[in-house]
Formats: sequence, C-alpha cells, structure tokens
Amino acid sequence: EVQVVESGGGLVQPGGSLRLSCAASGFNFSDYAMTWVRQAPGKALEWVSGIRANGGSTYLADSVKGRFTISRDNSKNTLYLQMKSLTAEDTAIYYCAKGGPDIAIWVFDPWGPGTLVTVSS
Amino acid sequence: QSALTQPASVSGSPGQSITISCTGTSSDVGGSHFVSWYQQHPDKAPKLLIYDIFNRPPGVSNRFSGSKSGNTASLTISGLQDEDEADYYCSSYTSTLTVVFGGGTRLTV
Repeated sequence: EVQVVESGGGLVQPGGSLRLSCAASGFNFSDYAMTWVRQAPGKALEWVSGIRANGGSTYLADSVKGRFTISRDNSKNTLYLQMKSLTAEDTAIYYCAKGGPDIAIWVFDPWGPGTLVTVSS
Repeated sequence: QSALTQPASVSGSPGQSITISCTGTSSDVGGSHFVSWYQQHPDKAPKLLIYDIFNRPPGVSNRFSGSKSGNTASLTISGLQDEDEADYYCSSYTSTLTVVFGGGTRLTV
C-alpha cells in the first residue's frame, strides 16, 4: 500500500524553528516528486513546496520563500520541511503528498494524515 | 499567486448532478494541462479525484468528471450520493513553476 506519514509538528513560539518529516512506503520513493501542502484552521488548502524526484530542483510558495526549505533523503525514503522564522500565519495542518513521476509536483496522491503546527507564545 | 476562484457552496439532491467551477488565468488554469480536483471530508486528508483536467485515478467513481474551457475548469458530479457531501478543491500548475489551489467549495447533499 502506498503510504506517507508526517511527523514533527507541535507548538512553537513565534520566531522559532521546526522540522517536519514525512516517511514514505509502498512505492519507489526516488522516482517520484513530493510536496507539502498546508491548511490553516477552517481555511482552504495552500501549496507550500515541492521537490523533484532526485532532489535536484525545489519549488516554494512566495509566502514561505526564504524561511522554509524542502529536502529529501532518498536512501531513507523520507521528505523534510525545515521551517524557520515562524509566525502565527504558519499555524496549520501540514500535509505531505506523493507527486507524480520525476518533476510532477502538480498532482498529490496520496496524502498523509497531516501534522499540526501551532505557532503561539 | 492569487487563489483560483471557486463558488463557496453548492447543493443538490440525491441523484441529481452538480458542477463546480474553478476560474483562474492564462498563467495557471488557462495555460496548464495540470489541473486537479480533490475531495475532503471533515477532519480528513484530501483525496485526489481528477488529474490532468479529466483523468480519474483507479478506484475513483466514474460519477466524477472533469473538463476545462479557457481559464475555467469544472468538476461535475452525477448521481449525487450522501457520501459526496464534502469540500472540493481545484488546483493548477502555474507558469512560475508553483501550484495554486482554489478557495474550496462546500457541497451539501
């Protein structure tokens, strides 16, 4: 079964940092793009970042550029999202999703259950 | 990148058909083959329904169909069922190599 599961969420103070992880299983991780999508409480989905299958290219939403970094370790079948300079506006459920082959960061299937990040003092 | 425009809510009766629109620009929906639709039930992760404008992944009912005309994509659900009650989101790849979502549509059956 193709599966992705996020971890690393929690409560962090404004200005703080956090690293999210996403463990993938059931597919050849190194062949597929991966993506992070977030959803603030009661709000719409927001695309955050994507990364090519080989990790050679990364893509970020303007709202997180300069603060968030996406990376992957294909030897560990794991995707990461390093977040810094966090603000209350970053409070959301963060979903990891498997993309399409190679560079296809534009399709998300399946999604993980999500991990909640709360930025508050 | 501005969010794609979707109606906030739509409703229909069991057995009826409904269509949800998703309007963007020539820099996203109008210029992209990579338009997708997702279904999200309350407190659940989204699920892919349609990709590349009109393709259904394995296991998705053929009651769900997608199309596009100009800068507007559409999701049609035929033979509405109670379990279709959920939030629906469109997304599109953009000319700046990012992805943009719609604001979401709440379907009431």
